[in-house]
Amino acid sequence: SQTIHQWPATLVQPVGSPLSLECTVEGTSNPNLYWYRQAAGRGLQLLFYSVGIGQISSEVPQNLSASRPQDRQFILSSKKLLLSDSGFYLCAWTSGRYEQYFGPGTRLTVT
Amino acid sequence: KQEVTQIPAALSVPEGENLVLNCSFTDSAIYNLQWFRQDPGKGLTSLLLIQSSQREQTSGRLNASLDKSSGRSTLYIAASQPGDSATYLCAVSISGGYQKVTFGIGTKLQVIP
Repeated sequence: SQTIHQWPATLVQPVGSPLSLECTVEGTSNPNLYWYRQAAGRGLQLLFYSVGIGQISSEVPQNLSASRPQDRQFILSSKKLLLSDSGFYLCAWTSGRYEQYFGPGTRLTVT
Repeated sequence: KQEVTQIPAALSVPEGENLVLNCSFTDSAIYNLQWFRQDPGKGLTSLLLIQSSQREQTSGRLNASLDKSSGRSTLYIAASQPGDSATYLCAVSISGGYQKVTFGIGTKLQVIP
């Protein structure tokens, strides 16, 4: 069966510091991968998606970037965090039926 | 631009009651609709997926219906239990090389023992 991992689970970082969040998927190959951010009282916002290694598309211009160095690895990064980057970050992949499966999430607090 | 609305925003019911959660979307040209459950501080768990050609899907005590023409979906929960307490999110997707998904904000359900 397929499993999706995210780490770290929680992170507290000062403004201006770098960020690296990692997502890995097991049990499938060549998945479509997604990064979402969930802010309190708001719906999930799609940040990035990837249909293959090295192929990244951004939905919203922002302080973040994403990379896909391996088929089942998706990384969310920032060079300098802003207060507005705080939120709950979720990684997801889609099956052949285009059913979305989510990881456990990373709670990021920028102080 | 697709917009997804979920009503009510919050719901509190006594244990054992049957309940309906509503989801509406503005653009009927969808590929599929998915219902999720989210517990506090956790990721989303997929409950039911309805393809655009389907009218409903069932899983245990859950039944989801889809009416594309009116832009509506409902999630029916039978015989609610305290363990059903969570936020339920509706998401609709279109297909265009990748799956672009639009989420509602969710309905927060509390089932009181």
